[in-house]
Amino acid sequence: GAGVSQSPSNKVTEKGKDVELRCDPISGHTALYWYRQSLGQGLEFLIYFQGNSAPDKSGLPSDRFSAERTGGSVSTLTIQRTQQEDSAVYLCASSLTGTNNEQFFGPGTRLTVL
Amino acid sequence: RKEVEQDPGPFNVPEGATVAFNCTYSNSASQSFFWYRQDCRKEPKLLMSVYSSGNEDGRFTAQLNRASQYISLLIRDSKLSDSATYLCVYQDPGTYKYIFGTGTRLKVLA
Repeated sequence: GAGVSQSPSNKVTEKGKDVELRCDPISGHTALYWYRQSLGQGLEFLIYFQGNSAPDKSGLPSDRFSAERTGGSVSTLTIQRTQQEDSAVYLCASSLTGTNNEQFFGPGTRLTVL
Repeated sequence: RKEVEQDPGPFNVPEGATVAFNCTYSNSASQSFFWYRQDCRKEPKLLMSVYSSGNEDGRFTAQLNRASQYISLLIRDSKLSDSATYLCVYQDPGTYKYIFGTGTRLKVLA
C-alpha cells in the first residue's frame, strides 16, 4: 500500500519568504509527527498530532513555525519569514496510534534557505 | 545528561565481523525502545523494537538493560549492505514524543 508522502521533495527559497510543507500519512494512522534533521545531525522533534489535535508543540523552534492537520489526515508545516538556519530536511512520520508503534517516515522535504 | 547518547562512530568493520552498539537513555521510566536504520540521504526505517526480554531477528539482536539504562544492538556476520547509520529511539513516557539519538555510523568493508 501507499506509504507516507511529502511534498515538495526539494524547496529552495529566499530568506524572509514563507514556505509550506505537506505530509500525507498512511491512511488510518492517527498519529503524525514532524521532525527536522540538519546535515549530519539526529532527528529533532518538532510537533506531534493525535488526530487533528497537537498535544505537544514543545519542539517548535520559534513562533515562525506552525503546523496543522485537517480531517485526521494531511498535515502542513508552515515556516514564516524563513531564516538560513531553517535549512534542513523536514521529515514527517505516521504511526497507527501514538503509543509504542512503529513510525513510518516519508522521504522528507529538503529545504534550502538562501 | 543528554536524553539519548550514542557513539557517533564510524565503526569500520570487515565483512563477516560481529559489531555491537550501545545507547544510553536518561529517563528511567521509559518503556518503549527501538532501533532504526537510516541510509545516507534516506528516511529512517524501523530495524527492530527492543523488548524487556531482548529480541532477535536473524543476524540482529537487541537487548535492554534497565539497571544501567542502556540498550544494545548486536549485528553478526556483517554484510556490506549493513552499512548505514543506526538510530536509538525511545518513547518519552506520559507523552507520545519519540526521542532519537544522533546515530552510530557503521561501515562494513569488503
